[in-house]
Amino acid sequence: QQQVKQSPQSLIVQKGGISIINCAYENTAFDYFPWYQQFPGKGPALLIAIRPDVSEKKEGRFTISFNKSAKQFSLHIMDSQPGDSATYFCAAIYHQTGANNLFFGTGTRLTVIP
Amino acid sequence: NAGVTQTPKFRVLKTGQSMTLLCAQDMNHEYMYWYRQDPGMGLRLIHYSVGEGTTAKGEVPDGYNVSRLKKQNFLLGLESAAPSQTSVYFCASSYTAGGAGQPQHFGDGTRLSIL
Repeated sequence: QQQVKQSPQSLIVQKGGISIINCAYENTAFDYFPWYQQFPGKGPALLIAIRPDVSEKKEGRFTISFNKSAKQFSLHIMDSQPGDSATYFCAAIYHQTGANNLFFGTGTRLTVIP
Repeated sequence: NAGVTQTPKFRVLKTGQSMTLLCAQDMNHEYMYWYRQDPGMGLRLIHYSVGEGTTAKGEVPDGYNVSRLKKQNFLLGLESAAPSQTSVYFCASSYTAGGAGQPQHFGDGTRLSIL
């Protein structure tokens, strides 16, 4: 059972446009929500993350919006650039010592057209 | 500044052959993970380790074994490779369970094809 549901599977955006990727979860024990960015031939790398007590976090052109009551969060990429073309994974984690507790979404392949 | 290093980067095996994938990290991380990445399925956890000498099963452990004899190394073994194990394998490590300020750091992957 997928702990974190991510959509869309793929996304094509014009340069300068806004890219939006959505994720949803059910487990209310999750207490940290990171986004990872993966370029072809590379491993995923942490892009931005948010705690559930914050409704929005912005770092440059990247913003996470978090809706705790709806158990949904999204990544917004403003002024999308061709260099943003990559696969994006949302994830959710809860703290439990000695256990794996990080769950990934299935990924969104973003293509930004010049 | 190596981070997480995976070897080999590419490998082609025949069905039934065995091999070991090596992951090494130089960040003194306690936690290490092996994932496989398949189109449309994201990252699925195979096995993980919360410290030297410990291992545990993840979401898709069948057909794989792991060992963590040294803190910095995490080995993934395929005893009898099957075509269904054709995938890209990623190793990751983290200081603790990957929470706030302590993300998982990934290697660049091993592309494995089983014929």
